[in-house]
Amino acid sequence: NAGVTQTPKFQVLKTGQSMTLQCAQDMNHEYMSWYRQDPGMGLRLIHYSVGAGITDQGEVPNGYNVSRSTTEDFPLRLLSAAPSQTSVYFCASSSHRASYGYTFGSGTRLTVV
Amino acid sequence: AQTVTQSQPEMSVQEAETVTLSCTYDTSESDYYLFWYKQPPSRQMILVIRQEAYKQQNATENRFSVNFQKAAKSFSLKISDSQLGDAAMYFCAPYFGNEKLTFGTGTRLTIIP
Repeated sequence: NAGVTQTPKFQVLKTGQSMTLQCAQDMNHEYMSWYRQDPGMGLRLIHYSVGAGITDQGEVPNGYNVSRSTTEDFPLRLLSAAPSQTSVYFCASSSHRASYGYTFGSGTRLTVV
Repeated sequence: AQTVTQSQPEMSVQEAETVTLSCTYDTSESDYYLFWYKQPPSRQMILVIRQEAYKQQNATENRFSVNFQKAAKSFSLKISDSQLGDAAMYFCAPYFGNEKLTFGTGTRLTIIP
């Protein structure tokens, strides 16, 4: 039972480069979301999805893009990386209404130089 | 706006003793869920305990229990018989029904041998 799988675990980008963070879950969860974690600020929601084909913005969506073509996968795209996007990124998933909480991936540490 | 406050950035406790981490929040919702997550140095976010707001009985999971006071909007976590493996960042994260968890800024717990 893999849960939520994120790749890569670490990444260094140059300013202006683009990349995709991958996220996959095998629990048939409807809800998937991306958070970023910065020191002293807890986790903040970037984008989320309530089902295949449906996505919406969270608190800090600028500079990021998402799509959800299948229930299992929810990739996060950085369009043109900036140093302000240096952070730890978490993908999470939950069943309807999140009544049992979210299951998190192991995170991706991204550094933009 | 829905906010979450963890007023103790750092706490320490002697091994085998009891420690309480505080969390207060603000919401106009009446039906919601409350969670505590643990983040050890491995970076993985681990669900520790959940509480349903419509239940008056406080949740308990082995050595972890909560003191939930709905009127006061308070949701503290008590860890009994503290162990070295409890050392981590702890995040209070309510789900108010807006498709996301709202995270506090965390409390870093140190266990003194």
